[in-house]
Amino acid sequence: DTGVSQDPRHKITKRGQNVTFRCDPISEHNRLYWYRQTLGQGPEFLTYFQNEAQLEKSRLLSDRFSAERPKGSFSTLEIQRTEQGDSAMYLCASSFSDWGARNTIYFGEGSWLTVV
Amino acid sequence: DQQVKQNSPSLSVQEGRISILNCDYTNSMFDYFLWYKKYPAEGPTFLISISSIKDKNEDGRFTVFLNKSAKHLSLHIVPSQPGDSAVYFCAASATGNQFYFGTGTSLTVIP
Repeated sequence: DTGVSQDPRHKITKRGQNVTFRCDPISEHNRLYWYRQTLGQGPEFLTYFQNEAQLEKSRLLSDRFSAERPKGSFSTLEIQRTEQGDSAMYLCASSFSDWGARNTIYFGEGSWLTVV
Repeated sequence: DQQVKQNSPSLSVQEGRISILNCDYTNSMFDYFLWYKKYPAEGPTFLISISSIKDKNEDGRFTVFLNKSAKHLSLHIVPSQPGDSAVYFCAASATGNQFYFGTGTSLTVIP
């Protein structure tokens, strides 16, 4: 399988705990995105990387959220001191960086977070 | 502010008929548009895209139409099949750096 993979698929955590999600993008893609989706909403942009550089962060990404892509391959998204409002599906996507038809983002299956 | 809007939360269509899903956007800088299909508990799957230099793009049963003056795009599915039942999201981008998504339309194709 050469698609975007995310781990874990489901995570239930107690409020105040830290959680980390991992994303492995499509290997040829140099861009990696994190999105969040809640019920009844479309995916909301959180941040994106081009290779190992984090180029843009949304205002949705509070100080409790940190994303890394240390070697320009896989990425991690950590949420510290989780709150119930963090419960959502966290989606990772990847793409090429050149513009045009190749600039289509492909999503993984998502990581469900439930904060209790 | 919602830059991409899908004003119909749901749509029901008989199998074999045409499904038309609509999307409006507000940012005139958007120049690349995509449609995704999503099943419950899965990530969105890319369906079809269109650049602003075109007004139509076709791929099998799926056709996307773009009306730049009206800032409107639509996805046509012909003929609709029960397996098409899913939530459909439109997305738009101005720079390719960030993609803005609508809130989705839930399509039900009735056998």
